[in-house]
Amino acid sequence: GESVGLHLPTLSVQEGDNSIINCAYSNSASDYFIWYKQESGKGPQFIIDIRSNMDKRQGQRVTVLLNKTVKHLSLQIAATQPGDSAVYFCAEKLGSSSYKLIFGSGTRLLVRP
Amino acid sequence: GAGVSQSPSNKVTEKGKDVELRCDPISGHTALYWYRQSLGQGLEFLIYFQGNSAPDKSGLPSDRFSAERTGGSVSTLTIQRTQQEDSAVYLCASSLGNLGDSPLHFGNGTRLTVT
Repeated sequence: GESVGLHLPTLSVQEGDNSIINCAYSNSASDYFIWYKQESGKGPQFIIDIRSNMDKRQGQRVTVLLNKTVKHLSLQIAATQPGDSAVYFCAEKLGSSSYKLIFGSGTRLLVRP
Repeated sequence: GAGVSQSPSNKVTEKGKDVELRCDPISGHTALYWYRQSLGQGLEFLIYFQGNSAPDKSGLPSDRFSAERTGGSVSTLTIQRTQQEDSAVYLCASSLGNLGDSPLHFGNGTRLTVT
């Protein structure tokens, strides 16, 4: 898969710093959310998911925070590394009976050495 | 373990020709999805297969697009009489169970260029 878009929002961080990528989702009935990482020429790679009955979930160097009140999702990456440079997508599932993922437009993360 | 495999990785075709794109999902995954990713745009849902149920074709952009899934495993996406606006990366994904219980796992896509 191609990295998407010529006009993606871009976050530039220094290697070793923490990164926070934000996503506003559209539907208050959405009950499941996923963050994907997409490197140039590759398909989206699963990073971490969270159900709507949770506020926070942690993985290895990553944390996802969910604020249902304002329909906001964030991905925190600790000690950002050059290999973290990619486009990051959030995706939502529109309720318990849905089986589709609706993707956001993506954020490009650039890690400065 | 083996991930989702798509072939070909790149396809260049002339306008008006038909193309077939292939997807091998992860073994044991019952759900299979096709998405399209155009330059400057996000991922667009095309079609969904789950087990032996009738597929959800609601995302297919025109009747030139069709897809099959044989034996609950391999899927092919066919585009007839290709147009330049069909140029995009076509991504296949599979899931072990219901979305929400398990995430989608994507292949690396087929980049289609229609000249």
